[in-house]
Amino acid sequence: SQTIHQWPATLVQPVGSPLSLECTVEGTSNPNLYWYRQAAGRGLQLLFYSVGIGQISSEVPQNLSASRPQDRQFILSSKKLLLSDSGFYLCAWSVAYNEQFFGPGTRLTVL
Amino acid sequence: GESVGLHLPTLSVQEGDNSIINCAYSNSASDYFIWYKQESGKGPQFIIDIRSNMDKRQGQRVTVLLNKTVKHLSLQIAATQPGDSAVYFCAETGSGGSNYKLTFGKGTLLTVNP
Repeated sequence: SQTIHQWPATLVQPVGSPLSLECTVEGTSNPNLYWYRQAAGRGLQLLFYSVGIGQISSEVPQNLSASRPQDRQFILSSKKLLLSDSGFYLCAWSVAYNEQFFGPGTRLTVL
Repeated sequence: GESVGLHLPTLSVQEGDNSIINCAYSNSASDYFIWYKQESGKGPQFIIDIRSNMDKRQGQRVTVLLNKTVKHLSLQIAATQPGDSAVYFCAETGSGGSNYKLTFGKGTLLTVNP
């Protein structure tokens, strides 16, 4: 069966520090991968998606970047965090034209 | 622009009652719809989906209804239980090259009172 992992589960970082969040998927090949951000009590905002290794599409201009160094690995990064980067970050995967499956999320607090 | 929205941001029901959560969408080309449940501090969990060639689909205690004429989607939960308390999101994906991405609604908070 397929599983998706995200780490860390929670993170507290000072403004201006770098960020690296990792997501890995097991049990499937060549998945579409997604990064979402969710503000408290709000909906899901798509940040990036990837349909293959090295292929990244950005949905909104922002302080973040994404990379996909391996087929089932998706990384969200920032060189310098802003207060507004705080939120709940969710990774998801899908196979073509089907539902997306979400990871457990990372709660990021920027102070 | 295209959007998926919800009529009610909160819904409070008594345990054992049926719940109905509504969603409106504006993209007439949308052809795949999903309902997700998100418990506090967790990632969204797939509940049920429906494609545009159907108007009703049933799962365990849940039914999704699709009315393409008025671009309306609903989720019905039978015999609501305290464990159903969560935020429910509808999502859609359209045809024509956007099928990799889901557009999510704002979410409805369902509270089940014992």
